Amino acid sequence: RKEVEQDPGPFNVPEGATVAFNCTYSNSASQSFFWYRQDCRKEPKLLMSVYSSGNEDGRFTAQLNRASQYISLLIRDSKLSDSATYLCVVNRGYGGATNKLIFGTGTLLAVQP
Amino acid sequence: ETGVTQSPTHLIKTRGQQVTLRCSSQSGHNTVSWYQQALGQGPQFIFQYYREEENGRGNFPPRFSGLQFPNYSSELNVNALELDDSALYLCASSLGGRTGRNTEAFFGQGTRLTVV
Repeated sequence: RKEVEQDPGPFNVPEGATVAFNCTYSNSASQSFFWYRQDCRKEPKLLMSVYSSGNEDGRFTAQLNRASQYISLLIRDSKLSDSATYLCVVNRGYGGATNKLIFGTGTLLAVQP
Repeated sequence: ETGVTQSPTHLIKTRGQQVTLRCSSQSGHNTVSWYQQALGQGPQFIFQYYREEENGRGNFPPRFSGLQFPNYSSELNVNALELDDSALYLCASSLGGRTGRNTEAFFGQGTRLTVV
């Protein structure tokens, strides 16, 4: 079983749709949590950090449930430019140089016109 | 962009050969991590360097090795290349310290290695 699991998709949605991505992690010692976005043949880029209290950045809302070890990302009013792979990421370490990121497989989103 | 640069961008090698990939970290960052991303997969942690010392290693064999230099740039070396080593190799730089968490990790554009 992978340490970070997410549905690989693809998710094909029309413009304007709301889409939700889910992710689970197995290591309860994980310290911090993120969603990264990766465009085709490009490097991953940080989309947003995820907090237990939930956080929002424009059309994007992220949520963390530590008890269930579950992370989610909600995208409202999807745009064509949102088409990318969304990677669920867990930081297993903290302090000093122990910033070890564990990535899920990624979920491919294709927003259709 | 991120200020993290990798070279070369593309590389083709023959099975059994050795390869060196390079990463120049963002100015002010002292930590470099290397990741391997196979097609259709998420990046997998190879190892991390902090102030010129290896600090953490993923599930990769010893033929994957690295270095970090005084200017915090880094190299990834892979010996005895295998076909399965074909992947996108990413480096990420961040600022770490002895206490507290690292800052956000910024990724380079990657080196696409093909082993034939």
